[in-house]
Amino acid sequence: GAGVSQSPSNKVTEKGKDVELRCDPISGHTALYWYRQSLGQGLEFLIYFQGNSAPDKSGLPSDRFSAERTGGSVSTLTIQRTQQEDSAVYLCASSPQGGFNTEAFFGQGTRLTVV
Amino acid sequence: AQSVTQLGSHVSVSEGALVLLRCNYSSSVPPYLFWYVQYPNQGLQLLLKYTSAATLVKGINGFEAEFKKSETSFHLTKPSAHMSDAAEYFCAVSTLLNTGFQKLVFGTGTRLLVSP
Repeated sequence: GAGVSQSPSNKVTEKGKDVELRCDPISGHTALYWYRQSLGQGLEFLIYFQGNSAPDKSGLPSDRFSAERTGGSVSTLTIQRTQQEDSAVYLCASSPQGGFNTEAFFGQGTRLTVV
Repeated sequence: AQSVTQLGSHVSVSEGALVLLRCNYSSSVPPYLFWYVQYPNQGLQLLLKYTSAATLVKGINGFEAEFKKSETSFHLTKPSAHMSDAAEYFCAVSTLLNTGFQKLVFGTGTRLLVSP
């Protein structure tokens, strides 16, 4: 596609339910990132993929969070047993490579609300 | 580890006034620095980036930023604010992972408010 696509754009879920957030990166981009943006906070790094592997998972807040990437393309971020503090905008970004000065292209995000 | 600090969570200017958004970085190696803008209900868009080629970097929409090593700063400026500039602005530094790849570390953002 022309840009990074995320779905759904909005998700309301009940506390304790599992959710899956999807990211379709720009075709050919090997690097993919997930960030979380909470109200009044900056962007919090969650996880980074290079191809299908995740060299850096250091930002995942707890073991309830997991992510995978298949075929070097689509990525899914899964949050199990959601809590209210998980409410945030989840942003996905991709870049052509993991290079040091490579621009990251962002999707519009998924707004997750846990009630 | 590299990091950035943005001074001021909110900056208010009048239309036509100078815009100055502050960013200071911490890095033990020459940094790669970025400014991103986020318009309401949209994703982040790259405004400009510093990659050591020139200390004064020009970006889109009339914005520019100057890298000052002595001050460890990368402040964003625009001579004359437009109403359409109202958005949130994020400074970021590229940090090298031990895997050899980079990730962006963002500041907490500055919301720019432009009044008529």
